[in-house]
Amino acid sequence: QAVVTQEPSLTVSPGGTVTLTCASSTGAVTSGYFPHWFQQKPGQAPRALIYSTSNKQSWTPARFSGSLLGGKAALTLSGVQPEDEAEYYCLLYYVDLQSWVFGGGTKLTVL
Amino acid sequence: QVQLVQSGAEVKKPGASVKVSCKASGYTFSDYYIHWVRQAPGQGLEWMGCVYPNSGATYYAQKFQGRVTMTRDTSISTAYMDLSRLISDDTAVYYCAREMGAANLKNHDYWGQGTLVTVSS
Repeated sequence: QAVVTQEPSLTVSPGGTVTLTCASSTGAVTSGYFPHWFQQKPGQAPRALIYSTSNKQSWTPARFSGSLLGGKAALTLSGVQPEDEAEYYCLLYYVDLQSWVFGGGTKLTVL
Repeated sequence: QVQLVQSGAEVKKPGASVKVSCKASGYTFSDYYIHWVRQAPGQGLEWMGCVYPNSGATYYAQKFQGRVTMTRDTSISTAYMDLSRLISDDTAVYYCAREMGAANLKNHDYWGQGTLVTVSS
């Protein structure tokens, strides 16, 4: 079973920029892993933000962007708002296994 | 508007089975995969598997092979997740989510509200 690794926690100041990453134990993450990013706040269902590397959902604020960076999937928040404080999860697709695997999540604190 | 509405909370004894439903509306049910994801208390998200309503094809995470069954009833636009031989570690919120799974573009977008399954003697 592949393992997907995210930073356990990050802290950013309001108005700042932060990048969260998502690595695979199998090697470099490419577009073929169809990286997704989700935001989850306490007591709520996850909310989809980014799909297939860099595509935004219709409801995703412009300050969120997805990319590939140094062999990892990345989620960048520019101009962070207090309401962005949440847990963020990435999701990767392993075509050989026909399976999806979530990362462990990054707790983003806005301070 | 797209909605995925899940069945209510369940309390089960160890060794029992649980069946959670996910009723879809606002789109063509057969055209999108339905995935099942669970989240134990204070833990992260865990992908369990998916079903493609059009064909009934299923794909399960290795961890759940032999213990989970995902089905669908296209006549009522509802997907089901059946988990057997429950243990206390299966206590979690179970979510359904839909995915537009094309060959070169995949999009998990809408999620259900979640169903709490508690396993306790």
